Amino acid sequence: DGGITQSPKYLFRKEGQNVTLSCEQNLNHDAMYWYRQDPGQGLRLIYYSQIVNDFQKGDIAEGYSVSREKKESFPLTVTSAQKNPTAFYLCASSRDYEQYFGPGTRLTVT
Amino acid sequence: GQQLNQSPQSMFIQEGEDVSMNCTSSSIFNTWLWYKQDPGEGPVLLIALYKAGELTSNGRLTAQFGITRKDSFLNISASIPSDVGIYFCAGRISGTSYGKLTFGQGTILTVHP
Repeated sequence: DGGITQSPKYLFRKEGQNVTLSCEQNLNHDAMYWYRQDPGQGLRLIYYSQIVNDFQKGDIAEGYSVSREKKESFPLTVTSAQKNPTAFYLCASSRDYEQYFGPGTRLTVT
Repeated sequence: GQQLNQSPQSMFIQEGEDVSMNCTSSSIFNTWLWYKQDPGEGPVLLIALYKAGELTSNGRLTAQFGITRKDSFLNISASIPSDVGIYFCAGRISGTSYGKLTFGQGTILTVHP
C-alpha cells in the first residue's frame, strides 16, 4: 500500500536531549513537509523540501533541523534548543498542491 | 499572524442534522483544501478546490471555493456519529511558495446519536 509512515507513534525524551522523528513515503512525491500541532491550534509549518538535497525553513524552524538525502525520507531532529518541544508532529508529502499526511508522532519531553 | 479564520470553533449537533462551517481570509487564495482529523491521527484530505466558484462533492460532503477567492465553505449533510472529529480548512495564498499551505484553527464536530 502507498502511504506515509511515521515512527514511533509515541516518543518520550528527557529535556536537553536531541531526538529524531522518522518520516518515510512511498508515494513517489517530490515535496515533503513537517508540521507541529498544539492543542487548539492549527498546523504550523516547521520545514519543507521540494526536492532531494534541498529544504526551506517554515514559520517555526528555530530549534529544529532536517535532511533530505533520499526522495522517500525526510527526518526531523528536535534539538535541545527547542524551548517547547512537547507536541504532535505531522509529516506530509505532495506531488502538487494536495498534501497527504502521515499518522503523526506524539513527542513528550520532560 | 493568523491569516485564516475558521468558524465555528466547535459544533454540537444531533445525528441526522446538516452541518456548515467556513473559512475566511483577507488574502486571496489559489487553492482550498478541506481535511478531517480523528483524535491522535493525521488529517485526511476530503476535498480539494482550485477555481473560484467551484462546487465539489464527496459523498455527503460539499465544499465551495468562494467567488471572491477569500473564503471557502464545507457542508456535511445528514450527519452520522463517525463524522465526529476536527475539520480543517487549508489554502495556498496567491504569490506564496509552491506547496506552502495556511491552515485554519479547526472546527471540532460532536455528533450526538
